[in-house]
Amino acid sequence: AAGVIQSPRHLIKEKRETATLKCYPIPRHDTVYWYQQGPGQDPQFLISFYEKMQSDKGSIPDRFSAQQFSDYHSELNMSSLELGDSALYFCASSGTGQGEEETQYFGPGTRLLVL
Amino acid sequence: GENVEQHPSTLSVQEGDSAVIKCTYSDSASNYFPWYKQELGKRPQLIIDIRSNVGEKKDQRIAVTLNKTAKHFSLHITETQPEDSAVYFCAARINTPLVFGKGTRLSVIA
Repeated sequence: AAGVIQSPRHLIKEKRETATLKCYPIPRHDTVYWYQQGPGQDPQFLISFYEKMQSDKGSIPDRFSAQQFSDYHSELNMSSLELGDSALYFCASSGTGQGEEETQYFGPGTRLLVL
Repeated sequence: GENVEQHPSTLSVQEGDSAVIKCTYSDSASNYFPWYKQELGKRPQLIIDIRSNVGEKKDQRIAVTLNKTAKHFSLHITETQPEDSAVYFCAARINTPLVFGKGTRLSVIA
């Protein structure tokens, strides 16, 4: 079965640079979530989109922005990168409604290293 | 907002023994409680979930129980195997974003 796809898988950037992370949800999933996971920490919710509209906002810094496109893929744009932004960034997708549709499935993650 | 506490933070068991991980949540409106297993450097993978209208759910060696009154839920793994070694996260959800516990690092000793 198709899973969530994220690209790139690894990214190295310098401080103050920008980065763009991409997420392709499972086909027919209309909701995308972004999470940030630091070393040894739990995933922290950043932002989510449903039907191309922002649905929830978590601890996303103002330097970050995201959007969901007409094909439901999503991009997380990160500017003025800081050392503390080094982390694993996961995208998850789900359908809507109750039952199995609401289950969030995670992508393989993008490992961002800011030097 | 929702707050999820998870205990213990680390757990070591002998192969074949049972492992129990407990979580509490703060918001009584939470209605969905998944458990994820995460191996080092890999994605969280859903292993079992439970909804607020159910008290217990079992899938082979894994079971989850939910006590809505006490606002806690637990993961039970029986007949543990070395491949069960990983970090386990509980989570709670009211609407869409998941709020995760801090994780439990389970080590199964052969």
